[in-house]
Amino acid sequence: NAGVTQTPKFRVLKTGQSMTLLCAQDMNHEYMYWYRQDPGMGLRLIHYSVGEGTTAKGEVPDGYNVSRLKKQNFLLGLESAAPSQTSVYFCASSYSSGGSGELFFGEGSRLTVL
Amino acid sequence: GNSVTQMEGPVTLSEEAFLTINCTYTATGYPSLFWYVQYPGEGLQLLLKATKADDKGSNKGFEATYRKETTSFHLEKGSVQVSDSAVYFCALSRSATGTASKLTFGTGTRLQVTL
Repeated sequence: NAGVTQTPKFRVLKTGQSMTLLCAQDMNHEYMYWYRQDPGMGLRLIHYSVGEGTTAKGEVPDGYNVSRLKKQNFLLGLESAAPSQTSVYFCASSYSSGGSGELFFGEGSRLTVL
Repeated sequence: GNSVTQMEGPVTLSEEAFLTINCTYTATGYPSLFWYVQYPGEGLQLLLKATKADDKGSNKGFEATYRKETTSFHLEKGSVQVSDSAVYFCALSRSATGTASKLTFGTGTRLQVTL
């Protein structure tokens, strides 16, 4: 079973370049999330979505945009990458009942901005 | 705001040793509490959870009890195995049922178990 799949898994960018991370889930989950993981800071929520066509800001949304055109996909974009965005990015999804706290995570995408 | 504080790692134990990873939280009201585990090269996965005071979550030999009076949710295991080597994250949620699960995570504690 695929679960939550993220592409690409690794990427190196130069400052100012743009890129998109793709997250796909095959569990028919309503809710999807993007987190970033940095050393000594745990995971922080960037953006999330409660359904197709909806998005909302999380704790650290600046410098990122997201889109949820299809229920199964959640895209995270960086329009002008900065070294501060060097991180490991995790996508997650959860059931429509939500609130339960059980998120299903992808394997992560490691992004380096030079 | 909400916050989670975990003991710093890494924690290095011999196989069959007793494990405790401390976790305390700050939150208004009555959050739900979670432990997630991240094995090398993988994403996080839910290990156990507790949704109200005095609840005990358990899974795979791990346990944690929701202590409201001490705002704690310490993770314990009686006898660790090499396969338990991973990073453990404590987290809380104040999301209501039917809403998105916006978790607040601790910084993670790396556990290394040796033979």
